[in-house]
Amino acid sequence: EAGVVQSPRYKIIEKKQPVAFWCNPISGHNTLYWYRQNLGQGPELLIRYENEEAVDDSQLPKDRFSAERLKGVDSTLKIQPAELGDSAVYLCASSFSLSQGRNIQYFGAGTRLSVL
Amino acid sequence: GEDVEQSLFLSVREGDSSVINCTYTDSSSTYLYWYKQEPGAGLQLLTYIFSNMDMKQDQRLTVLLNKKDKHLSLRIADTQTGDSAIYFCAESVGISSGSARQLTFGSGTQLTVLP
Repeated sequence: EAGVVQSPRYKIIEKKQPVAFWCNPISGHNTLYWYRQNLGQGPELLIRYENEEAVDDSQLPKDRFSAERLKGVDSTLKIQPAELGDSAVYLCASSFSLSQGRNIQYFGAGTRLSVL
Repeated sequence: GEDVEQSLFLSVREGDSSVINCTYTDSSSTYLYWYKQEPGAGLQLLTYIFSNMDMKQDQRLTVLLNKKDKHLSLRIADTQTGDSAIYFCAESVGISSGSARQLTFGSGTQLTVLP
């Protein structure tokens, strides 16, 4: 069974340029997460989807970040325009979530973004 | 707010036991997790423990939970060089909507296994 697939693995762009990341979750997983992981830190949640609905985007910088999850499967995360401080690893995770229950999230390998 | 804390570094000799410690703050956490991250890779779930348990053992891994002190530890027996990685503790934080619970991660502990 394929795990969470992310692309691209690496992206180098100049500041003020746009960039997009793509995620294909594990088949059947209803919940999809985008995290940002800065160097030397743990992942921090940017946005969480339940099926196609964004149910928690409180940590998403909405002035430059946007995300979508069409048909409740694949998702894209976009930054426009990118800033130097956006350099990080962007991780996608998915889970089959039960109310108040165990929430095992499976992570993709991430996209390492470098903004020059 | 929620906060998960871990020590940053741990070095052990191959064959010794490793103990990685974590403290968390949300007393309502129902599940606590340990993830492993190797260089250039995503996070891999190692094990998890339900909050009404004190201990869980899974092959070389032993998780101890002290709910009173909000302290979680991961013991790796017979540590091997392949265990060298960053280990993240995560607590499951309740969300008012009652749906999927959010994970809050610590900053990770870099485990180095010396030959």
